[in-house]
Amino acid sequence: SQQGEEDPQALSIQEGENATMNCSYKTSINNLQWYRQNSGRGLVHLILIRSNEREKHSGRLRVTLDTSKKSSSLLITASRAADTASYFCATDRGSTLGRLYFGRGTQLTVWP
Amino acid sequence: DAMVIQNPRYQVTQFGKPVTLSCSQTLNHNVMYWYQQKSSQAPKLLFHYYDKDFNNEADTPDNFQSRRPNTSFCFLDIRSPGLGDAAMYLCATSRDLGQGNEQFFGPGTRLTVL
Repeated sequence: SQQGEEDPQALSIQEGENATMNCSYKTSINNLQWYRQNSGRGLVHLILIRSNEREKHSGRLRVTLDTSKKSSSLLITASRAADTASYFCATDRGSTLGRLYFGRGTQLTVWP
Repeated sequence: DAMVIQNPRYQVTQFGKPVTLSCSQTLNHNVMYWYQQKSSQAPKLLFHYYDKDFNNEADTPDNFQSRRPNTSFCFLDIRSPGLGDAAMYLCATSRDLGQGNEQFFGPGTRLTVL
């Protein structure tokens, strides 16, 4: 079964604006990862945040994690048309066996 | 460049006709995964190999099998494809199991069942 839900399911913004996507999950976790998928392609790893971390940055990406609320957010600042893609969060459900369980994703469209 | 390669990118098969999808990697990673992704849905883990050890997800149908003849290659066999098996099939690798291992994905094979 699906691990989490991303919110919103679809997001449409103009270039230069910030995009915020949220992810909720149901079980304990060791870490949470965010991936991007361009249309009809494989997934690309963006960032990993461990359960003892609250915030992490990578370039224009900022990820937060609130384990008490079982939620995470991905912020993309100063968005570009090339950021148009689906964004998925994935967790390990507390397992150390390397499996990842993905949410349904947020489809982000950035208009030039 | 080190990468994960999937062939073919598009596969059309007939209802009930066995089909094999292939994945190869030049990353020399220990773990290889197969995911099924239906339209607008989350990628769903089918199974994975840690080296030669096969690990099936509990809800993966028996219709789906996998082989890993060596470190570089992994195959997904669908014995009798049904219309509900039409999906994108994603292969991924990771260096190891355990916490915090990033997964590297191939471009996927889109399977159509007629």
